[in-house]
Amino acid sequence: NAGVTQTPKFQVLKTGQSMTLQCAQDMNHNSMYWYRQDPGMGLRLIYYSASEGTTDKGEVPNGYNVSRLNKREFSLRLESAAPSQTSVYFCASSEARGWQSSYEQYFGPGTRLTVT
Amino acid sequence: GESVGLHLPTLSVQEGDNSIINCAYSNSASDYFIWYKQESGKGPQFIIDIRSNMDKRQGQRVTVLLNKTVKHLSLQIAATQPGDSAVYFCAEINFGNEKLTFGTGTRLTIIP
Repeated sequence: NAGVTQTPKFQVLKTGQSMTLQCAQDMNHNSMYWYRQDPGMGLRLIYYSASEGTTDKGEVPNGYNVSRLNKREFSLRLESAAPSQTSVYFCASSEARGWQSSYEQYFGPGTRLTVT
Repeated sequence: GESVGLHLPTLSVQEGDNSIINCAYSNSASDYFIWYKQESGKGPQFIIDIRSNMDKRQGQRVTVLLNKTVKHLSLQIAATQPGDSAVYFCAEINFGNEKLTFGTGTRLTIIP
């Protein structure tokens, strides 16, 4: 059981380049999330997917797109990277349903992205 | 708007002592709270959670206290060890939208 995996671990982009961050989970979770974490700050939600086939904007969605490819995979795309998108990106998943469930989110190891 | 914040950005504690990390939240409608631990270069790791209908929950060496009157959450770590050095985040969730809102974090340093 690998949990949540992310690729790549590190990436350097030039301004204007595009790339896709990949995320997969093997826990059969319904919900998946993308966060960014800037130095000295907490995590901010970019997009989330409550179930396969659905996606919703989080707190900071501008400049990003997502695809929930299937139940396991949730990708984050930067169409035209900007230096302000330099950050560490975390993917997470959870089985969050109702009052009796745990809302614990399981996080991947992160992708460190630098845009020059 | 709603926010989750921490009183102190850094905390240094002698090894073996108890640590208390505090968190204030502003959304009185929050249903559920989680404490996460993040070690350098890693993703956040779940420590303990508490629902809004509880005021205390205990785990292994950790206790979370919830005071809804003053909208305050605390994490107590007993007999701190070097491995407890990390950044600790509180997060809150409203069951209506299933989205976690994270605080900015407190860096806990254990002094040998």
